[in-house]
Amino acid sequence: DAKTTQPPSMDCAEGRAANLPCNHSTISGNEYVYWYRQIHSQGPQYIIHGLKNNETNEMASLIITEDRKSSTLILPHATLRDTAVYYCIVRVRGNNDMRFGAGTRLTVKP
Amino acid sequence: DSGVTQTPKHLITATGQRVTLRCSPRSGDLSVYWYQQSLDQGLQFLIQYYNGEERAKGNILERFSAQQFPDLHSELNLSSLELGDSALYFCASNHPRGTPDTDTQYFGPGTRLTVL
Repeated sequence: DAKTTQPPSMDCAEGRAANLPCNHSTISGNEYVYWYRQIHSQGPQYIIHGLKNNETNEMASLIITEDRKSSTLILPHATLRDTAVYYCIVRVRGNNDMRFGAGTRLTVKP
Repeated sequence: DSGVTQTPKHLITATGQRVTLRCSPRSGDLSVYWYQQSLDQGLQFLIQYYNGEERAKGNILERFSAQQFPDLHSELNLSSLELGDSALYFCASNHPRGTPDTDTQYFGPGTRLTVL
């Protein structure tokens, strides 16, 4: 699975959009980009995933660059409850393990 | 709520002891995964079971073992416990029987193990 690089921490004002970047320059054609978050010590929560097209669901949007070497997770209107560690994971579907890196610690401030 | 349940929520035990952690996957999911999260190592994949059979192994110690039962729940057994085994243990599930699968893993709330 390709390696990912994320900033260790970010701040965002409540009500504003949070844009979390992820670099995955060695991604291969059959690897998907997955995003999870972990609030405090709770179980990781699935957010969204995509292959090459932009994706949107009720939680977030995922923007993947055309060359697929980076992506951005967008939380459109961040709330205090979105404070968490966000993990970007690149993997081939069907691979058994999820390889979590250090992630980005997002702090949403009032 | 992911639909994955884990018991117990907290477990405190002494070095050298043996414990069993339990995981019930989402209804109908055939695969169960176990992960360990310690302070210095992040989330690490331990082992996967699919419909009762071991499918993949990660960084699982020989002192640790797991199994998946016919009702698809799984147990992770940790023996000869050491201080360094103190961690959060998560299970995840996917591969719903008979329905299209996005291969997304859904995680339980975890068991916090403290070894004194």
